[in-house]
Parts: sequence; structure tokens; C-alpha cells
Amino acid sequence: SYVLTQPPSVSVAPGQTARITCGGDDIGSKIVHWYQQKPGQAPVLVVYDNSDRPSGIPERFSGSNSGNTATLIISRVEAGDEADYYCQVWHSYTDHYVFGTGTTVTVL
Amino acid sequence: QITLKASGPTLVKPTQTLTLTCTFSGFSLSTSPLAVGWIRQSPGKALEWLALIYWNDDKRYSQSLRSRLTITKVTSKNQVVLTMTNMDPVDTATYYCAHARQGVAVHFFDVWGQGTMVTVSS
Repeated sequence: SYVLTQPPSVSVAPGQTARITCGGDDIGSKIVHWYQQKPGQAPVLVVYDNSDRPSGIPERFSGSNSGNTATLIISRVEAGDEADYYCQVWHSYTDHYVFGTGTTVTVL
Repeated sequence: QITLKASGPTLVKPTQTLTLTCTFSGFSLSTSPLAVGWIRQSPGKALEWLALIYWNDDKRYSQSLRSRLTITKVTSKNQVVLTMTNMDPVDTATYYCAHARQGVAVHFFDVWGQGTMVTVSS
């Protein structure tokens, strides 16, 4: 099975930049999506197709994907960005949808 | 506006079959190339994809749970039903249904329902 590995936690000061990585074998050849989940709430899509933002998602959220690592970048971090973040891909070989292990972002 | 709501029993006994219903509005699952998926989350754990059904009735299942899962759609009622057999306490989780649309090449889950908590206990 295809595994997506994320760091368990990332801490960042307000106004700084948070980078959340998602590691997978040749993930750069896949298309990555990112979800934000706040406590007690359903996930919300924040980035799709590696770097596109749904309407209503601030420009502070961006994504990149290359090699074996995809990255969600949150610029000018705010207290309201505290949440769990998950990457997700479709693995063509198994025709499965795969989620990453999740990263908790803490705003100091 | 697209909305989805997952519903079903809050408590099931081990070995029983779980039936969950996703009732949605704002789209038709007969429209290409839409899909609806089920994803679950055990307490304190990561998201786990379970199954997905496409507009053309094509279906995909998690390999690890394939033998226990069945996903169907009732287009006229705007519903997608997931059944999971032989429930076990490890299946205790919040179960979400989500609308999936296709981006440049693959589907992603752009709208999620609120989720329904299912506890498996005798």
C-alpha cells in the first residue's frame, strides 16, 4: 500500500510561515490535496491539485509538490490556523484514495 | 449549495452489520464526473478512506476493508448507503461522507458532511 508520512506536529509563531510536509514515494508524480480539520469539526479542503485554492480559502495557503515531498505552506500564520492538516492523493496503481498521517499545527 | 449529512446508529454490537446513509443536496450523483466517498476517523487518529462511488455507478473500496464494505447509491433519493459487516470495537469512529469532484485529473473531496459517530460495543 502507498504511505504518506507527515510530521506529527509543527509549531509556529503568529505572523510566521508554517511548512507542513507530506512524504511519499515519487509523490511529485501524483496530485496532492490538503485538508484542514479543527477540533470537533469535519475536514475542510484548503488546497487541491497541488497548489490551487478553493473559493473562500485565504491566499496565505499554498502548496508545492516535487520529488518525494509535497508541502503545504501557510504564510502569515494566525491563531485560527491551529488545526490538524492532512494530505491526500489518489494512488493509481491500487486505485485507492490515501490520506497522510496528519500534522497538528500549533500557533505559539 | 452542496450539503451532505451522514446518519445511522450511534451504537452497534460486535459482529453486527452497520448501515450508514449519506443524504445530500445541491447536486445529482447522475452528473459526470461526480462521486461520493466515505471516510472515517477513529478517536485521536488520522482520516481513513473507506469507499467511493462514481456517477456511473463505478465503485472503489479500501483494500483492507473490501470484503466487509458495500457502497450503493439511490439517485432518486439523493442518497449513498454504506454497509459494513462484522463490526468490531476497532471500527469505533466518526464516519464522514463527502462530495468528490474531479480536478485536473483525479477526484478530491471538496465538501464534507458533519460526520456521524459510531461506537461498537456489547
